[in-house]
Amino acid sequence: EAQVTQNPRYLITVTGKKLTVTCSQNMNHEYMSWYRQDPGLGLRQIYYSMNVEVTDKGDVPEGYKVSRKEKRNFPLILESPSPNQTSLYFCASSLSTGVGQPQHFGDGTRLSIL
Amino acid sequence: GQQVMQIPQYQHVQEGEDFTTYCNSSTTLSNIQWYKQRPGGHPVFLIQLVKSGEVKKQKRLTFQFGEAKKNSSLHITATQTTDVGTYFCAGRYGNKLVFGAGTILRVKS
Repeated sequence: EAQVTQNPRYLITVTGKKLTVTCSQNMNHEYMSWYRQDPGLGLRQIYYSMNVEVTDKGDVPEGYKVSRKEKRNFPLILESPSPNQTSLYFCASSLSTGVGQPQHFGDGTRLSIL
Repeated sequence: GQQVMQIPQYQHVQEGEDFTTYCNSSTTLSNIQWYKQRPGGHPVFLIQLVKSGEVKKQKRLTFQFGEAKKNSSLHITATQTTDVGTYFCAGRYGNKLVFGAGTILRVKS
């Protein structure tokens, strides 16, 4: 089954404790991205990747890192999490950024930073 | 940076009434996509509009793209309880996809 898989689905942690949210897709998609969803703000793009070893900042990259060593994986790293990073996070992928390419979203990861 | 404004933020309708959500960009869009997110779920792609003035229909849903490619709308005719959720538009600016804040639709039966 074609899907985007995120782990963990839920995480409660404390300020300053490094964490990684994994994202994997099995559709051989080139384009992957991370979004955070906050009430009233919609989905804001954190980072995106056009292909392996190619990443770029979205609209809200501060406090986050990503890597794209393999085509299928695009982990999101919070080196020193802070309470303002408490949010619902979605990973998404698409075949490319070309016309007609929908984003396929994972089920989301709800992070609570205390 | 690029922004896509979406209104209204909330809409509460009686089952059978129509519903419309609007998106507006200050700059021309390459294309616009629409997504639906059910409560507790993830966004799911509905449709993409590319051409100026384009109109597409999916059963009771009608999507429009403005002539200047700066605005778009989603209209639902005769809403049903299965239509509840948040509807997002997303405008493409080069390699970035910028989402509107979404419109939350509630349907009273």
